[in-house]
Amino acid sequence: GESVGLHLPTLSVQEGDNSIINCAYSNSASDYFIWYKQESGKGPQFIIDIRSNMDKRQGQRVTVLLNKTVKHLSLQIAATQPGDSAVYFCAEGGGSNYKLTFGKGTLLTVNP
Amino acid sequence: EADIYQTPRYLVIGTGKKITLECSQTMGHDKMYWYQQDPGMELHLIHYSYGVNSTEKGDLSSESTVSRIRTEHFPLTLESARPSHTSQYLCASSENTGLYGYTFGSGTRLTVV
Repeated sequence: GESVGLHLPTLSVQEGDNSIINCAYSNSASDYFIWYKQESGKGPQFIIDIRSNMDKRQGQRVTVLLNKTVKHLSLQIAATQPGDSAVYFCAEGGGSNYKLTFGKGTLLTVNP
Repeated sequence: EADIYQTPRYLVIGTGKKITLECSQTMGHDKMYWYQQDPGMELHLIHYSYGVNSTEKGDLSSESTVSRIRTEHFPLTLESARPSHTSQYLCASSENTGLYGYTFGSGTRLTVV
């Protein structure tokens, strides 16, 4: 079936560096994408979303880029902080299916 | 501030016991979901509901059952717990129209011994 997957299972960065977390999706009908952050022992928290009519969307220190040609999604975190350490999931949805499909997750570790 | 609540947060129970994991949301969302997640692993959809008296099985087969008698309440029940049911269970809800992000609860970490 259709799936969402991540290129890198783990990412380690230095505090203050920028982080980029990547995600590949396979359902060309998907038109809505979300990034979630999950800290240890907690449920996933919404970070930012983007619809397929956009290529880029910015939030506070985070930017999501969508490349529909190659079905690729990325999350950029500027000036990464220790509090950004978490597992990050991408999710896709769309068409007649209102359910989201989640990727495997990337563990981001920020070193002080 | 989460408006979706799961209880208990942690549960250790013996094999063969019946358990119910509670999930309630105060946002008036029609859509609710249950996910199973092993530590550091992906989320697997096991049940969902699009409204009162609506329940569907998710992508991952599960021996659990759910009910949706009230909009705000979506409990998950295991009739006879087994060690293989040890996992984290996450409840979520979403807006009533269109496709929007889910709001997740904090989860219930279940251990069956």
